[in-house]
Amino acid sequence: SQELEQSPQSLIVQEGKNLTINCTSSKTLYGLYWYKQKYGEGLIFLMMLQKGGEEKSHEKITAKLDEKKQQSSLHITASQPSHAGIYLCGATRDSWGKLQFGAGTQVVVTP
Amino acid sequence: DSGVTQTPKHLITATGQRVTLRCSPRSGDLSVYWYQQSLDQGLQFLIQYYNGEERAKGNILERFSAQQFPDLHSELNLSSLELGDSALYFCASSVGGQVEQFFGPGTRLTVL
Repeated sequence: SQELEQSPQSLIVQEGKNLTINCTSSKTLYGLYWYKQKYGEGLIFLMMLQKGGEEKSHEKITAKLDEKKQQSSLHITASQPSHAGIYLCGATRDSWGKLQFGAGTQVVVTP
Repeated sequence: DSGVTQTPKHLITATGQRVTLRCSPRSGDLSVYWYQQSLDQGLQFLIQYYNGEERAKGNILERFSAQQFPDLHSELNLSSLELGDSALYFCASSVGGQVEQFFGPGTRLTVL
């Protein structure tokens, strides 16, 4: 959806290096979700952010929400082959929870 | 394993046919969501049910319908199928609205 822009579209990172994915909304966010998907498989829930300035971490993955900019970033530290996949950000615009997704960012981790 | 189950995993059918996709939410989850993922449209929200009632509708075609049963499982019915309906169909569930949504493994529909 153009209302939710993800960048970059794809990236190739060497194992051990850090990477950052951005997600920007053109409309007011209620909640921001991050998922990971292996090609053709289901989505794995990573994190949900709601409040401005909120930051959450899970293992080597950190996500932040900048409410003012209506933007979120997902940062992976010391990438590993297991981090390869498609990362999707999703936004809710109200309390009912229906998700609007970005186009996704394909991450490739090379040795 | 998210705890959300979907059947069947794969479905191959012909244009004009009708199919039913089934979803069982995680234990305790009252909300069920249906999404469609295709190469050209990406991942799009179709419809949401909460405790048996329709709560929100997205880009769902009139040829598609869904329902949530008293035991909270949900079915997505797709009729008069067209080639363009070929996609991955995901079901997700959550306890309520603004909480984590967990996705099932999806049903891959191929219309020939």
